Amino acid sequence: GIQVEQSPPDLILQEGANSTLRCNFSDSVNNLQWFHQNPWGQLINLFYIPSGTKQNGRLSATTVATERYSLLYISSSQTTDSGVYFCAVELGYSTLTFGKGTMLLVSP
Amino acid sequence: DGGITQSPKYLFRKEGQNVTLSCEQNLNHDAMYWYRQDPGQGLRLIYYSQIVNDFQKGDIAEGYSVSREKKESFPLTVTSAQKNPTAFYLCASRRGLNTEAFFGQGTRLTVV
Repeated sequence: GIQVEQSPPDLILQEGANSTLRCNFSDSVNNLQWFHQNPWGQLINLFYIPSGTKQNGRLSATTVATERYSLLYISSSQTTDSGVYFCAVELGYSTLTFGKGTMLLVSP
Repeated sequence: DGGITQSPKYLFRKEGQNVTLSCEQNLNHDAMYWYRQDPGQGLRLIYYSQIVNDFQKGDIAEGYSVSREKKESFPLTVTSAQKNPTAFYLCASRRGLNTEAFFGQGTRLTVV
């Protein structure tokens, strides 16, 4: 099956710093989503981005499908950004496969 | 409010018992999914259903069963055959293939 690798596995930032999270995948995909899992376990949709670039406030994402990676940018980080960020991809017409996530801790 | 509701939030089970986790959605989505998450891990697919009265095994289906009798509902039963059931269970739904998926708040199951 398709392999999804996220990096870094852990990240510690001071409030106000910027960061880039990366998602590499092993095959061409039709679907890619970024999620934020909050401390209570809820998965929050951040971006549905099979290709191109999208922005939502302090967050933006870029997927380069031909090179099999996606990047999530977090600018001016806040403590509420803490949690686990997951990338999930879909190969062909199947189901979502998740990476192991990046755990982000933003300290005040 | 439209969304996906999972219940209960916390569930305790004695060894040897079956338990059923509820997942209901009012988004009129055709496809529904069950994932399992272990500490420090990503999500692994248990079962999924693309349409009513049909479902398929995911990567870790052993010890679990599902039904899809109504479009809105996709309950998951954790049977006594599941050797290590303590985990966080997440239900998701979406309109169809290659569309955006949405998740419920999860059920944390503990075997005591």
